[in-house]
Amino acid sequence: KQEVTQIPAALSVPEGENLVLNCSFTDSAIYNLQWFRQDPGKGLTSLLLIQSSQREQTSGRLNASLDKSSGRSTLYIAASQPGDSATYLCAVTRGSTLGRLYFGRGTQLTVWP
Amino acid sequence: GVTQSPTHLIKTRGQQVTLRCSSQSGHNTVSWYQQALGQGPQFIFQYYRKEENGRGNFPPRFSGLQFPNDSSELNVNALELDDSALYLCASSSSPGTGADTQYFGPGTRLTVL
Repeated sequence: KQEVTQIPAALSVPEGENLVLNCSFTDSAIYNLQWFRQDPGKGLTSLLLIQSSQREQTSGRLNASLDKSSGRSTLYIAASQPGDSATYLCAVTRGSTLGRLYFGRGTQLTVWP
Repeated sequence: GVTQSPTHLIKTRGQQVTLRCSSQSGHNTVSWYQQALGQGPQFIFQYYRKEENGRGNFPPRFSGLQFPNDSSELNVNALELDDSALYLCASSSSPGTGADTQYFGPGTRLTVL
């Protein structure tokens, strides 16, 4: 059974700080890992997708790394802005059930001016 | 993009509900997720070519349909209070390569009283 854990559950920081959000998963036989952003009461926006053979992906101020052997991923947000305030979710897919996403509970991020 | 209707819905225990999802153009796979407050989304099931293609740990009173235009419905019978949640649908261009990003709709907020 695949379990995904995200730490911390909530984070509140001043604008401009660099942040690290953590995600861990119990079954290392993943196919890929995605980070999503969710604004309150809204759907999910995909931020970064990392294939299991990759180590990291970058998009703008976001960088996600993947260490499949240790079952960990981190999402690094550089120079945080109030507009980054949202819940960040990580999700994995497994080789045996491709297309099904296993989600963590998310990290609720607040960036204050 | 992916659209869902209605946006909000209030029902009472024991009633039945139908939620609708229109997939992104060119996508033939639709997945449904349930997200309770403060939790990560949980996989309900996936539809590909009008057939159920994988199911999560949800009882049979959760059922679905996929139409020739690849849109989809989620039906829930005999509603329970615990069914109150945000229901998300996601479309993708294939059922399980795992490499495809899934595109999520804005969700339907269901409240069961």
